[in-house]
Amino acid sequence: RKEVEQDPGPFNVPEGATVAFNCTYSNSASQSFFWYRQDCRKEPKLLMSVYSSGNEDGRFTAQLNRASQYISLLIRDSKLSDSATYLCVVNPSYNFNKFYFGSGTKLNVKP
Amino acid sequence: DGGITQSPKYLFRKEGQNVTLSCEQNLNHDAMYWYRQDPGQGLRLIYYSQIVNDFQKGDIAEGYSVSREKKESFPLTVTSAQKNPTAFYLCASSIDGDTQYFGPGTRLTVL
Repeated sequence: RKEVEQDPGPFNVPEGATVAFNCTYSNSASQSFFWYRQDCRKEPKLLMSVYSSGNEDGRFTAQLNRASQYISLLIRDSKLSDSATYLCVVNPSYNFNKFYFGSGTKLNVKP
Repeated sequence: DGGITQSPKYLFRKEGQNVTLSCEQNLNHDAMYWYRQDPGQGLRLIYYSQIVNDFQKGDIAEGYSVSREKKESFPLTVTSAQKNPTAFYLCASSIDGDTQYFGPGTRLTVL
């Protein structure tokens, strides 16, 4: 079983829509969770960290569900510029300096 | 400006050649990482280093080598033993296993 799994999509949504992605992880002791955004042929860029209490940054909300071992990313009022691949990243507790990446979920926001 | 730089942006290699990819950071981060990304796939860890003069193999280290003689630098050599080296190579750094920051990447193509 992979450490981190994501639905590859693509998710095709109209501008202004709300869209949500989930990401499951296999190590129940994992401590750190992140969402990154990757544009085509570019490097991943940090979107937000995911805390136990959840966190919100403008139109983006991230949640952690430890019982079911998944994290989620909610995007409200989608913009054309949100079109990208969203990567889920997990840092397992057994190796604090090692990160596992999901293969990403592709989002296409259309006019 | 603080950040991570990678060079070259594009690299072409003939079969049987060794090539070295550069990664430099001025963020004063202890940990540095090399990942490989293939089309439509997630990032896979090649090597990582938690401190100067120390590094560990990641999940796909065969055919690659690294050095960490300075805190700021973590070059990756792709040797002729790597049978399928064409990929997008990403270098990252982090403080204490927290958030990773990526360089712009190097696209390696084998001719």
